[in-house]
Amino acid sequence: AQSVTQPDIHITVSEGASLELRCNYSYGATPYLFWYVQSPGQGLQLLLKYFSGDTLVQGIKGFEAEFKRSQSSFNLRKPSVHWSDAAEYFCAVQEYGNKLVFGAGTILRVKS
Amino acid sequence: DAGVTQSPTHLIKTRGQQVTLRCSPKSGHDTVSWYQQALGQGPQFIFQYYEEEERQRGNFPDRFSGHQFPNYSSELNVNALLLGDSALYLCASEQAGQGTGGELFFGEGSRLTVL
Repeated sequence: AQSVTQPDIHITVSEGASLELRCNYSYGATPYLFWYVQSPGQGLQLLLKYFSGDTLVQGIKGFEAEFKRSQSSFNLRKPSVHWSDAAEYFCAVQEYGNKLVFGAGTILRVKS
Repeated sequence: DAGVTQSPTHLIKTRGQQVTLRCSPKSGHDTVSWYQQALGQGPQFIFQYYEEEERQRGNFPDRFSGHQFPNYSSELNVNALLLGDSALYLCASEQAGQGTGGELFFGEGSRLTVL
């Protein structure tokens, strides 16, 4: 069965600093990968997705992610974090029928 | 254009009771999926409805059942509630036929507390 691992439960970064959130997946074929963000009291919002082609994908809010097949990773990055980025971030892999398998999430705290 | 709407937003039940959660998909969407998000965990797929039929099901017991109506709205029913059913229940909608990789739109969820 497919699985997604997000090794970091919490991450704290200073406002203006760079950010990298880690995601590792287990999937037999070429994966369809996603990053979602969830703010308190909100639903999940899609940040970006990877299907094929260029391994560096751009998303909303200045986020980007890089797919590395050799490392089974799909890490999320942002060059300069804003206080409004504080939220919980979920990596997911898509299975047949558009069912998503999510990681446990990483809570991002931004300190001023 | 309203997004995915869910009701109620919060509810409290006691063990053994039954609960019904409701979801209206985003305009133009005809496929609805339900996910359970327990505290500190990522969402887990419960099932998906299309054309008023359950098309896929995750690893959840039969106590979890659903329904989709002709207007594409959906209900999630949970019988014989257990303490472990306490979670945020998320509804997601999509337009069938957009193929693999289509974007799911999520509602804000219904938070169920079982006492």
